Amino acid sequence: RKEVEQDPGPFNVPEGATVAFNCTYSNSASQSFFWYRQDCRKEPKLLMSVYSSGNEDGRFTAQLNRASQYISLLIRDSKLSDSATYLCVVIPYNFNKFYFGSGTKLNVKP
Amino acid sequence: EAGVTQSPTHLIKTRGQQATLRCSPISGHTSVYWYQQALGLGLQFLLWYDEGEERNRGNFPPRFSGRQFPNYSSELNVNALELEDSALYLCASSHDRGVFDEQYFGPGTRLTVT
Repeated sequence: RKEVEQDPGPFNVPEGATVAFNCTYSNSASQSFFWYRQDCRKEPKLLMSVYSSGNEDGRFTAQLNRASQYISLLIRDSKLSDSATYLCVVIPYNFNKFYFGSGTKLNVKP
Repeated sequence: EAGVTQSPTHLIKTRGQQATLRCSPISGHTSVYWYQQALGLGLQFLLWYDEGEERNRGNFPPRFSGRQFPNYSSELNVNALELEDSALYLCASSHDRGVFDEQYFGPGTRLTVT
């Protein structure tokens, strides 16, 4: 089983829609979680950290569910510019490896 | 502030040859990470260097190696190239404060093995 799994998508949504992605992880001792965004043929860039209490940054909300071992990313009022691949990152408690998911592709259509 | 830089942008090698990829981190960053991004496989963690030492490596064979120089720049060497080594190799840097800091990625080196 992979350390981190994501639905590859693509998720095709109209502008203004709300869309959510999940990322499941297998190591219950995982400590830190992040969402990165990668535009086509570009390098990944940090979108937001995922805190135990959940966190929100504008239209983006990230949540952690330790019991079910997944993190989620919710995007409200989707914009065309949100079209990208979203990568989750999981760091185990001993902070010695970095596990990236293979990414979920989002296409926001006009 | 200059970002992470990588060279070369593209590299074409034949099977069995060696490839050397280079990375310069953001000024002030001491940690450098290398990832392989093959088509459809996502980012696979390769190596992590900090303060000149290898802190950890991913599940890659020993022919993938590297080093970090006193100025914190880094090299990734891939020996005995195989066709499946063709991928985008991304370097990232961060501060290393004992917790996971945001990693800033370079534009990558696209390695093609023929």
